[in-house]
Amino acid sequence: DVKVTQSSRYLVKRTGEKVFLECVQDMDHENMFWYRQDPGLGLRLIYFSYDVKMKEKGDIPEGYSVSREKKERFSLILESASTNQTSMYLCASSPRVEQFFGPGTRLTVL
Amino acid sequence: AQSVTQPDIHITVSEGASLELRCNYSYGATPYLFWYVQSPGQGLQLLLKYFSGDTLVQGIKGFEAEFKRSQSSFNLRKPSVHWSDAAEYFCAVGALMFSGGYNKLIFGAGTRLAVHP
Repeated sequence: DVKVTQSSRYLVKRTGEKVFLECVQDMDHENMFWYRQDPGLGLRLIYFSYDVKMKEKGDIPEGYSVSREKKERFSLILESASTNQTSMYLCASSPRVEQFFGPGTRLTVL
Repeated sequence: AQSVTQPDIHITVSEGASLELRCNYSYGATPYLFWYVQSPGQGLQLLLKYFSGDTLVQGIKGFEAEFKRSQSSFNLRKPSVHWSDAAEYFCAVGALMFSGGYNKLIFGAGTRLAVHP
């Protein structure tokens, strides 16, 4: 079975802090994704990566950056957290089309 | 532009009743279509997918979905709902990103299912 793990299930940070969300997959998938999920809005793509050190902006990249130094790991970085970044963050990996999701990180920015 | 619409935000059914969750998509080519389920506080689990071929696809947990090209729909069905099916359900379409063949998923806003005993 594909396994996608995320470093934290719950995280509380203060406005202005730098936040790192980590995602690791164990299936050697080329593609990895970061989404945020908000009630009534579904999932919105923040960034994705189709290879090591490669990244592409998704639909809502503002305020976020990413890093993919190794194939199995994809990190989402909030350079200076703001309260409007309070959300559920979901990581996914994909061999080509279907995506496999991690359990999510619920981030609260105070 | 590609989009996915799930017209029902909330649905409540009685345990043992049949279920149909609606999904309409907008996409120019033959789509890849998916249904995912999310239990509270969890990530998304793939229920079923349609790539090509038979338009009625079977998934896990007794779910099925039918692709109807003429209606741009991919509705999810289950003949008899169990209390454990209470969750949020997301329909998604795979959209080609660029000529390299890379696909992203576009999600609907979700339908929250409640099951009465």
